[in-house]
Parts: sequence; structure tokens; C-alpha cells
Amino acid sequence: GAGVSQSPSNKVTEKGKDVELRCDPISGHTALYWYRQSLGQGLEFLIYFQGNSAPDKSGLPSDRFSAERTGGSVSTLTIQRTQQEDSAVYLCASSLYGRGNTEAFFGQGTRLTVV
Amino acid sequence: GQQLNQSPQSMFIQEGEDVSMNCTSSSIFNTWLWYKQDPGEGPVLLIALYKAGELTSNGRLTAQFGITRKDSFLNISASIPSDVGIYFCAGQLWTNAGKSTFGDGTTLTVKP
Repeated sequence: GAGVSQSPSNKVTEKGKDVELRCDPISGHTALYWYRQSLGQGLEFLIYFQGNSAPDKSGLPSDRFSAERTGGSVSTLTIQRTQQEDSAVYLCASSLYGRGNTEAFFGQGTRLTVV
Repeated sequence: GQQLNQSPQSMFIQEGEDVSMNCTSSSIFNTWLWYKQDPGEGPVLLIALYKAGELTSNGRLTAQFGITRKDSFLNISASIPSDVGIYFCAGQLWTNAGKSTFGDGTTLTVKP
């Protein structure tokens, strides 16, 4: 597609269950970012991919959070044993390059609600 | 980590008025970015600033990269109803491969 696509757009899950969030970046973009946005807050960096490798995972809140990227394209963010504090909008962005390239394009996000 | 203080938190203005919002940081950034986010959407880049002192315009929007590299402001002139949304500042360091640190946002409401 023309833009960054995220799925699902909304996810309601029970506390303790695992969830997978998917991001399809813009074709040809080598850099991919995951951010988390809590209600009324700015975006909190989670992880950055350059190609399939993740040189910066510094924002992942705990070991329940993991992400992978395959084929230099699709990325999946997995949250295990979800907790209520994980409820937020998870945003994915991609850019042509990482270092030196500032124009990141965001998807619409996945709104995760843990009940 | 680096923190950004964005103000004001919210603004209620009349259509046609000018708007100003700003961000300050305790440490320097190499790049300042301003985004707008509409409900249910991801942020969209409005203006990117790459050099201390730089003043850049995009239509009715004007943004400046502070000379100390620790602050930036965004002005919107002659506001219109579609300017409603949340505006975020973000800072980047060249060493951080495009990762952005975001402010908490300014929510703008424009009354017709």
C-alpha cells in the first residue's frame, strides 16, 4: 500500500493473554520504529529496526515485550502476559533510512485495551 | 533520558486568531520536528528543522529551531477549524538513528 499499515486497528484482550501487533511499512523503507502512546501523552519510543536487526531496543518496558522484523519489511510487536498498564495506542513508523533521515511516516496505530 | 517540556497543554482559540506553542529541553537536539495528530490517526510531519536558528515556514505554519538547540516554537497564523488536533514537538540526535523524543502535545481547539 501507499502508507504504513497496522493491524488490528483495535484489540481488546484479557489480562494475562498474549497479543501480536503487526506493522507493514512503506515499501523500500529500511528503518522501522515502534512507539507507544498512552492517553493524553506523547509518544514513547519502544524499538528501532534497521533492516531485520534491532540496534536499539532501549525503550521496551519489560521482557514481556518483544519485536521482530522479517524480510526487511513486516514487523510484529508481541506482548506476553498482558497487564492493564499495557493499554495504549501502539504506533509504527517507517522511514527511508534510519540515521540522517528524519521523515518518518506513521501508521494509524493499534489501540490495545487490556481488561 | 532526554525530556521535552511542551506548552501550553491545551489552547482554545477563535477562528482567525494566531497560535503559538513551544518546546524546551534540558539538553540539545540536532533536529527539531513538529507533528500534528488527528483523532484515530498517526502523527503527520508538519515541519522539520535541522540547524540552530533556522526559521522555516509551511503555509500558515512557521517554526524555529532555537539558537541554543534546546528549544523550538511553532506558530500558526489565521487559524481555521481544520487546525484542530494535537500538535507534538519531537527532537532527534544524529547519533540516535532517527529515533525521536516527543513532547506531551498541545491540544488545539478552534471555535468557528
